[in-house]
Amino acid sequence: SQQGEEDPQALSIQEGENATMNCSYKTSINNLQWYRQNSGRGLVHLILIRSNEREKHSGRLRVTLDTSKKSSSLLITASRAADTASYFCALGGGADGLTFGKGTHLIIQP
Amino acid sequence: EPEVTQTPSHQVTQMGQEVILRCVPISNHLYFYWYRQILGQKVEFLVSFYNNEISEKSEIFDDQFSVERPDGSNFTLKIRSTKLEDSAMYFCASSAGTRGETQYFGPGTRLLVL
Repeated sequence: SQQGEEDPQALSIQEGENATMNCSYKTSINNLQWYRQNSGRGLVHLILIRSNEREKHSGRLRVTLDTSKKSSSLLITASRAADTASYFCALGGGADGLTFGKGTHLIIQP
Repeated sequence: EPEVTQTPSHQVTQMGQEVILRCVPISNHLYFYWYRQILGQKVEFLVSFYNNEISEKSEIFDDQFSVERPDGSNFTLKIRSTKLEDSAMYFCASSAGTRGETQYFGPGTRLLVL
């Protein structure tokens, strides 16, 4: 089944800095989604990028997709304390449901 | 903005008891899902539901589990005889379509089986 793996597993940066996390996968995809999960809470959808797209923006978020390298990156610019969370890439969807990786745990130091 | 809601937020039950977790998906969505997340582990797909029947289910979704859409708004997950290892966060999600559409997740129900 499709599965993405996030890297790094954990990331700690100072408030105001940019945070970059990556997702690698092995199968062909139609799209890739990024979600955020605050500790003990639900998953919040951030961005969906389709296989024919290379880059997508949403506010301070920038997602890239390189299907030749089977990888995606999520960039959070000008990080804030509220960005502290776990970030997941998710593949698949449709009837088979989404497959999530283990996530990147991001800590923003004030 | 419409959102997926889930009740209860927390549920504590004794091993062997039946539990029903409830979800109200976004009103114009057609596809519904249940996922679970054991503490410290990945979010795992359990089942998808469309047109009043199960579309797909994972190997986790064994005979102890069932889903139902009893009316036009609710979507339920029943665990018939809970086991200790069923303790997890259970998330409901819905989407407007299946062709790579965004899935919107509820806040989850934390189930603790004693």
